[in-house]
Amino acid sequence: EVQLVESGGGLVQPGGSLRLSCAASGFTFSSYWMHWVRQAPGKGLVWVSRINSDGSSTSYADSVKGRFTISRDNAKNTLYLQMNSLRAEDTAVYYCARGRLRLAPADAFDIWGQGTMVTVSS
Amino acid sequence: EIVLTQSPGTLSLSPGERATLSCRASQSVSSSYLAWYQQKPGQAPRLLISGASSRATGIPDRFSGSGSGTDFTLTISRLEPEDFAVYYCQQYGSSPLTFGGGTKVEIK
Repeated sequence: EVQLVESGGGLVQPGGSLRLSCAASGFTFSSYWMHWVRQAPGKGLVWVSRINSDGSSTSYADSVKGRFTISRDNAKNTLYLQMNSLRAEDTAVYYCARGRLRLAPADAFDIWGQGTMVTVSS
Repeated sequence: EIVLTQSPGTLSLSPGERATLSCRASQSVSSSYLAWYQQKPGQAPRLLISGASSRATGIPDRFSGSGSGTDFTLTISRLEPEDFAVYYCQQYGSSPLTFGGGTKVEIK
């Protein structure tokens, strides 16, 4: 079964750090672009970051640039999001998602994880 | 950044009725790189449509997408009880990727 499972969410104080993980299974992880998307409570979807299949190219939303780092370990079939200097407005469910076509930089997201909640509060 | 504006914000309809959801972009979406997602409470989004009009695997044919340039539409021909949810459009042709604010389809 094709699956993405996020972990690493939790409660963190403003200014703190957290690393999210997304474990992939059921497909050739190393062939796909991967993304992080977040959703604040009761709000809409916001794209956060993406990484290409071999990890050599990344991009970020302006709201997280310089604070968040996306990476991947294709040997472990795992995607990461390192989040530093966290703010209250980063509070959200964080989803990892797969780009639909192998090796395609521009595509819709066909597989999503169940999400992991990050709460930034003192 | 391409801003996507979805309308209406809420659509109140009965099962069996037709739903028409709009997504308007602030600038042309390249190569019709426009997708639609459905999200139910407590669940992750599910891909319905990519490339403006191509249904994703397993999506019933009552869902259809159309449009190009800056104006896109998702149509649900006859609403089933499981179709009441929030729908988002997304453009993935230019960075940053962006989503619309969503349209909630609720039972009238």
